[in-house]
Amino acid sequence: EVQLVESGGDLVQPGGSLRLSCAASGFTFSDYWMTWVRQAPGKGLEWVAYMNHDESEIYYLDSVKGRFTISRDNAKNSLYLQMISLRAEDTAVYYCARGNGWYQPWGRGTLVTVSS
Amino acid sequence: EIVMTQSPATLSVSPGERATLSCRASQSVSNKLAWYQQKPGQAPRLLIYDISTRATDIPARFSGSGSGREFTLTISSLQSEDFAVYSCQQYNNWPRTFGQGTKVEIK
Repeated sequence: EVQLVESGGDLVQPGGSLRLSCAASGFTFSDYWMTWVRQAPGKGLEWVAYMNHDESEIYYLDSVKGRFTISRDNAKNSLYLQMISLRAEDTAVYYCARGNGWYQPWGRGTLVTVSS
Repeated sequence: EIVMTQSPATLSVSPGERATLSCRASQSVSNKLAWYQQKPGQAPRLLIYDISTRATDIPARFSGSGSGREFTLTISSLQSEDFAVYSCQQYNNWPRTFGQGTKVEIK
């Protein structure tokens, strides 16, 4: 079964840091582009960052550039999102998803809350 | 950035009835348009990509249509499990952008 499982979400103070992980299984992770998407409470989905299969192509949402870093370890079938200088507006459920254009599957998400 | 606008925000429909959801892009997205279904507490599920291609295991009652800037998701006969939030997404340009969602609720 193709599966993505996120972890690492937590309550963090403004200005703090967090690293999210996404464990992939059921497919050849190194062949696929991967993406992070977030959803603030009661809001719509927002694309955050993308990395292609060999890390040669990376894109970020403007509002997270310089603060978030997407990375992957193909040997560990894992995707990561390092987040620094977190702001209240970064509060959201963060999903990892497979794909570059359309996304399938998605993980169940991990909640990041930025609050003092 | 391409802005995706969905209408209506909420659609009240009786089981067995047809539901028609709209999505408009601020500029052309060619055929790079997907639809997702999301239920409370769950991850989104891909329904449709490339405007009208159903994803794996998606029932035939879901169909997508449109072109350029105007798109429609139609659910031909609503089943109880179809009451959810539906979002459109363009993947023609960076950043990828989603609509704000249409909630389909039981009338």
